[in-house]
Amino acid sequence: GQQVMQIPQYQHVQEGEDFTTYCNSSTTLSNIQWYKQRPGGHPVFLIQLVKSGEVKKQKRLTFQFGEAKKNSSLHITATQTTDVGTYFCAEGSNFGNEKLTFGTGTRLTIIP
Amino acid sequence: NAGVMQNPRHLVRRRGQEARLRCSPMKGHSHVYWYRQLPEEGLKFMVYLQKENIIDESGMPKERFSAEFPKEGPSILRIQQVVRGDSAAYFCASSPPLRGINEQFFGPGTRLTVL
Repeated sequence: GQQVMQIPQYQHVQEGEDFTTYCNSSTTLSNIQWYKQRPGGHPVFLIQLVKSGEVKKQKRLTFQFGEAKKNSSLHITATQTTDVGTYFCAEGSNFGNEKLTFGTGTRLTIIP
Repeated sequence: NAGVMQNPRHLVRRRGQEARLRCSPMKGHSHVYWYRQLPEEGLKFMVYLQKENIIDESGMPKERFSAEFPKEGPSILRIQQVVRGDSAAYFCASSPPLRGINEQFFGPGTRLTVL
């Protein structure tokens, strides 16, 4: 079946360092969404990427969608303690409201 | 505008009992999704419903699990004769009618523990 893999599974960084998580699929993705889940919390939508090669920025967060639409990345510059959590990519659908196929997630911890 | 509501937040059941999980979508949202998250794992899709209709139940186990979204009232995920392996966090999400960005809004989840 469809699988969306993320690496790394865990990442520990010193506060102020950068962080990147990668999302890879064996098939072409219709679109990719990114969610953040704080410890004990629920997923919260961050962004959606649709176009090949698309790059979007939200303050310290940069999201990229690969040219072949088979991979995506999330990069955080100068991490802060508020960035702690698990970051998931998820494949959405071209047809609108359908299920999300979530990646395996990358858990980020920050060393103050 | 209140977010997605789920109750109970925590539920403890003994093996063989039934678990009923409730989800009220955000106002104006007509699409409801249920996901299961095992400890230290990602979210797995279970079922997608619109009012009075199951649209996609491809992620739902064939036995013991059922879901509904009646015309009035919350969506219900029902697990009959629970087993220890059903222990997980169950998240409900909702989305508005079709639009360009199909962002899903998640509820706080129900943490089910089966003893």
